[in-house]
Order: sequence, then C-alpha cells, then structure tokens
Amino acid sequence: EAGVAQSPRYKIIEKRQSVAFWCNPISGHATLYWYQQILGQGPKLLIQFQNNGVVDDSQLPKDRFSAERLKGVDSTLKIQPAKLEDSAVYLCASSPQPPNEQFFGPGTRLTVL
Amino acid sequence: AQSVTQLDSHVSVSEGTPVLLRCNYSSSYSPSLFWYVQHPNKGLQLLLKYTSAATLVKGINGFEAEFKKSETSFHLTKPSAHMSDAAEYFCVVSDAYYKLSFGAGTTVTVRA
Repeated sequence: EAGVAQSPRYKIIEKRQSVAFWCNPISGHATLYWYQQILGQGPKLLIQFQNNGVVDDSQLPKDRFSAERLKGVDSTLKIQPAKLEDSAVYLCASSPQPPNEQFFGPGTRLTVL
Repeated sequence: AQSVTQLDSHVSVSEGTPVLLRCNYSSSYSPSLFWYVQHPNKGLQLLLKYTSAATLVKGINGFEAEFKKSETSFHLTKPSAHMSDAAEYFCVVSDAYYKLSFGAGTTVTVRA
C-alpha cells in the first residue's frame, strides 16, 4: 500500500514570496490533515478535511494560509505572503473513515529567508 | 481541553541498556494515547496506541507503554536500546474526534 505522498520535500523562498505544498493521501482515506512542525516542537494541526469539506481550521492563519482539497483526494496548502516565522516542516496526514490512526507523509521542509 | 507533557527533552542511553521516555497527559475524558517516532528527514511513524483496552500496550520494534490512569501517565519503555532507536519521540493524546495534540518531543541518542 502506497503511503502519503508530499512534494516538494524541500523549499527555500524569500519572505513575502508565495509557496504551495501538495499532498496525496492514502487511497480511500476520507480525512486529510495538514500540520506545521516548528523546529524543536511537536506538530500543530493547521486544518482538517473530511472528504472535500473543512472540519477544523481554527489554527490556520487565514490571512496568509489557505488550503483546498478538490474532489476529496489531493490537497494543496498555500502560504501568501510568507514570513520568517513560517519556516517549519509541513506534514500531511490521512486517516480512514471512521478516523483512527493517522498516517503521515515525509513532510516538506520550508525555509523562509 | 487535552494536552501532553513529555518530561524529558533529551534522553541519552548506551546501546543494550533500557530506555524510558516519560509522558503525562491531561484530558477531560477517557483518552486515546499514542507514541510516534520521527527519524531524521522521515515522516512520523506510529509505535503504539492505547484505546481503553489493555493498559500495557505492545508496539513495534520492542517498545511498550503502560497506561496509568491514577498517575495520568503513559510512559514508553524498551528493554534494550539499539542504535537505530536514535530519533525523536512524540507522545500524543487524541480527543473524541481524533484531533491529535502532540507533546514537545523527546530526542533519544544511543551511545555505542
């Protein structure tokens, strides 16, 4: 069974630039999550999708972050414009329905200069 | 609200000796608890999970954890450390909607 795929694996941008991350969950998983993991901290949930609807985006900085999950499969997380404090690893995870264990992708490491 | 506190930010052990990673949790109801491991530049991997069945939970790679409600603890142990156990470990609590709250992590180093 293929795992959660994410791309790119690494991204370096200047502050105020835009960036997008892509996630392809495990086939058949209804729930998709995006997490932000700042160096030295545990992952923090940014947004949770159930199929293509948003379940929880209370921790998403909506003035600069956006996410979508078209057709209930792939998802894209965008940051526009990026700030220095956005430097982190962005993890995508998926889980089956009903949600139980979450399966994580390898993450995208973002560096904002 | 729910949260976890990992009591050690860094643990260093010699190869072949026991490993103990400590975790206390706070939850307003009977929680589900997990331990995840993260190797450098790799995704998070589930080691084990507690979901109100047996209080002693066995996981992969020889790890186990014991749920102690009276102490609100979920400590992770392994009898004999291996070099490949060097990684970051996260204790995680889940609410009724499977929203995960992560601890700050414990970095494990293994000395030869």
